[in-house]
Amino acid sequence: GEDVEQSLFLSVREGDSSVINCTYTDSSSTYLYWYKQEPGAGLQLLTYIFSNMDMKQDQRLTVLLNKKDKHLSLRIADTQTGDSAIYFCAPKGGGSQGNLIFGKGTKLSVKP
Amino acid sequence: DTAVSQTPKYLVTQMGNDKSIKCEQNLGHDTMYWYKQDSKKFLKIMFSYNNKELIINETVPNRFSPKSPDKAHLNLHINSLELGDSAVYFCASSSPITGSDGYTFGSGTRLTVV
Repeated sequence: GEDVEQSLFLSVREGDSSVINCTYTDSSSTYLYWYKQEPGAGLQLLTYIFSNMDMKQDQRLTVLLNKKDKHLSLRIADTQTGDSAIYFCAPKGGGSQGNLIFGKGTKLSVKP
Repeated sequence: DTAVSQTPKYLVTQMGNDKSIKCEQNLGHDTMYWYKQDSKKFLKIMFSYNNKELIINETVPNRFSPKSPDKAHLNLHINSLELGDSAVYFCASSSPITGSDGYTFGSGTRLTVV
């Protein structure tokens, strides 16, 4: 089945850029999503990229997709303490019944 | 207006009991899901369901059963609760036609089995 890998922890200083990486195995993934989960809260859709794109920018967020290497990254510019959360990579599986398969999540800690 | 709402938010119950978690979405989505998030924050899909098809993750014990009275609701019923069922359960919905919308999640139900 589909496998999605992320590093579990990332620590940055406020104002720096954060880069969260993800690798996946399903080459037929159509949409690839990034979700954010704050402590005690549900999952919030941050951004997504379609599989025929290699980059998408949305304000402080930049998503890069290397489809050949099945590598997805999320860059957060000017990281703030409010960005501290768990970030999940979630490719959508191929086919009409493709589900979102979540990585284990990267816990981003932002130090003042 | 809450797009995907789950009740209850917290549920504490004893081993062996039967319990249900309710989920409702007002987005007009065709497909609903249940995910389980364990203590390490790992998210695993349990079920996906639309009015035509139920797809069950084969690793889910048959003590868990989804029940859908209509397109806007997908409830999760759990029989004979076990300690290992303690987790946060998330309901979600999507419209497969517009995949770019992703899934909309509820705020979760924290189940504690004692």
